[in-house]
Amino acid sequence: AQTVTQSQPEMSVQEAETVTLSCTYDTSENNYYLFWYKQPPSRQMILVIRQEAYKQQNATENRFSVNFQKAAKSFSLKISDSQLGDTAMYFCAFMKHAGGSRLTFGEGTQLTVNP
Amino acid sequence: EPEVTQTPSHQVTQMGQEVILRCVPISNHLYFYWYRQILGQKVEFLVSFYNNEISEKSEIFDDQFSVERPDGSNFTLKIRSTKLEDSAMYFCASEGQVSWSEQYFGPGTRLTVT
Repeated sequence: AQTVTQSQPEMSVQEAETVTLSCTYDTSENNYYLFWYKQPPSRQMILVIRQEAYKQQNATENRFSVNFQKAAKSFSLKISDSQLGDTAMYFCAFMKHAGGSRLTFGEGTQLTVNP
Repeated sequence: EPEVTQTPSHQVTQMGQEVILRCVPISNHLYFYWYRQILGQKVEFLVSFYNNEISEKSEIFDDQFSVERPDGSNFTLKIRSTKLEDSAMYFCASEGQVSWSEQYFGPGTRLTVT
């Protein structure tokens, strides 16, 4: 079974600065997908970024980028130019394959962006 | 932009009562999911549904739970006899051909069992 671990329960950053959230996972699969989801106080789950394991290039979405280290089974999220609206719980998630596969989530990291 | 909708947003029920949580997935999506999140904890998978049948379920999804797609648009989760520990946020998600692997989540239904 896959496991996802987020070892930072809480983090804080000053507005406009950069922060990195950590995630490690365990799997015997070779091809899979990794995600970061954002959950603001409204508790809506919002997809931030996606990475396919077969792609060596790290995914980027505007201010959000990942550092995907397949051999180390590490998948960190970097948020640049942090904004107050980035304050939320961030969940790392693993998926074995597209089409019908469950998401396995980590415990989450509560990020607070301070003005 | 298409979105997953869920009703009700908040449901309060007494222990032992049956509840039905409703979801309308994104049109043309093929895979449907239920997840739950107990307050302060991580999101947990309950069940996935494809082609009108359950494709996978977790150990949480016992005989008290059932899912149905009664009319081709709604996707429901029924809890037959609620327990206090069923109090949680329940999320519906759907996944489709246009964006394989991306599960789009609804806003959730907060279930409170008293």
